[in-house]
This record gives sequence, C-alpha cells and structure tokens, in this order.
Amino acid sequence: SQTIHQWPATLVQPVGSPLSLECTVEGTSNPNLYWYRQAAGRGLQLLFYSVGIGQISSEVPQNLSASRPQDRQFILSSKKLLLSDSGFYLCAWSVRGQPQHFGDGTRLSIL
Amino acid sequence: ILNVEQSPQSLHVQEGDSTNFTCSFPSSNFYALHWYRWETAKSPEALFVMTLNGDEKKKGRISATLNTKEGYSYLYIKGSQPEDSATYLCAFGGNDYKLSFGAGTTVTVRA
Repeated sequence: SQTIHQWPATLVQPVGSPLSLECTVEGTSNPNLYWYRQAAGRGLQLLFYSVGIGQISSEVPQNLSASRPQDRQFILSSKKLLLSDSGFYLCAWSVRGQPQHFGDGTRLSIL
Repeated sequence: ILNVEQSPQSLHVQEGDSTNFTCSFPSSNFYALHWYRWETAKSPEALFVMTLNGDEKKKGRISATLNTKEGYSYLYIKGSQPEDSATYLCAFGGNDYKLSFGAGTTVTVRA
C-alpha cells in the first residue's frame, strides 16, 4: 500500500533562518507531488507541484522553493524565512484522476 | 487562480439532523470535482472524486451531487453524528495536474 511521510510535525524558526521540509512517498512510482499551505482561517493554497524528477511548477510568487531530487521525494525550502511564512504546510501525492493523499502536515511558526 | 467557493463557511447541526452545503466552481475546462473531509489534528481524507455531470456518489450517510454545466456540487450528510464534525473541502480539477481548493465548510454536530 502507498504511504506518505512528512516531517517535522512542528517547527519553530526565527525570522531569517533557512527552512527544509521533507516529504517522501512509498508504494507508488512517478506520483504527482504537491505542497500546500493553509494560512490561518483560509483554505489550502497550492504552492508547488511536480509531475516528475526535477520538474517543479510554482503557483504563487513567494519566499519558498521546492525540489524533487528523487522520484518519491519532495522538499520545500527557504533561504530566509519571513513572518508571513507561518502556517500549516501539507504535502500530497496523486495519480491523474485519483484523489490526492495528504501527509500529516507541518505546523511552522516563525518568531 | 480559480474561484472555488464554499458556503456556508460554518454550520452547526443537531445530532440526528440532516444538512447540506455547496461548492461552486468554474464551469469551463472541468476535469473533476473532489470532496475531502478534514478532521482536527488529522490530514484531509478523500471522500469523492466526481467527473460526470449528474454524478451522484454515496459513502455511508454522506452523499454528493455534481452539476458541471452550472458549476456546483452539493454535499449531504444524513442523520448527522458527532463524528461527522470536520471541515469539508471541495477542490476543482481542470485540464492539468492541479486542484484548486475552496476554503471549506466547517460542520459542528451538537449532541
């Protein structure tokens, strides 16, 4: 069966520090991978998606970047965090036409 | 950014009562409409993926209908139970790999 792992679950970082959130998927090949953010009181905003190794599409201009160094690994990064980067981040995978499967999320607080 | 709207934003239901709420989405370039249930401290869980106009899906006491021509979907909960308390998200899938999520309807079932 397929599983998705996302870590860490919570993270408190100072403004200006770097960020690396990791997401891995097991039990499937060549999945579509997604990073979402839920800001307080709002829905899920798509940040990045990837349909293959090294292929990243960015949905909104921002302080974050994403990489897919391996087929089932998706990384969300920042060189210098801003206060506005606070939120709940979710990784998800899917294959075309099927539901998306979400990780447990990372609660990121910027101080 | 596609306009996917859900209403109401929140609702309270007495245990045993039935309820429904709406998702509206663009009627052009439609591929699929997804519904997810998001319980507190968990990750979103897929309920339905609907692709055909007039589709009706059912899972236990929860069902959904789809009208792609006018761009709306209803989610129904019959005989609400406390375990139905959650945020229900709909998401529009177009002719690409992305989903655009609504902000959700938060359902609270009172015993």
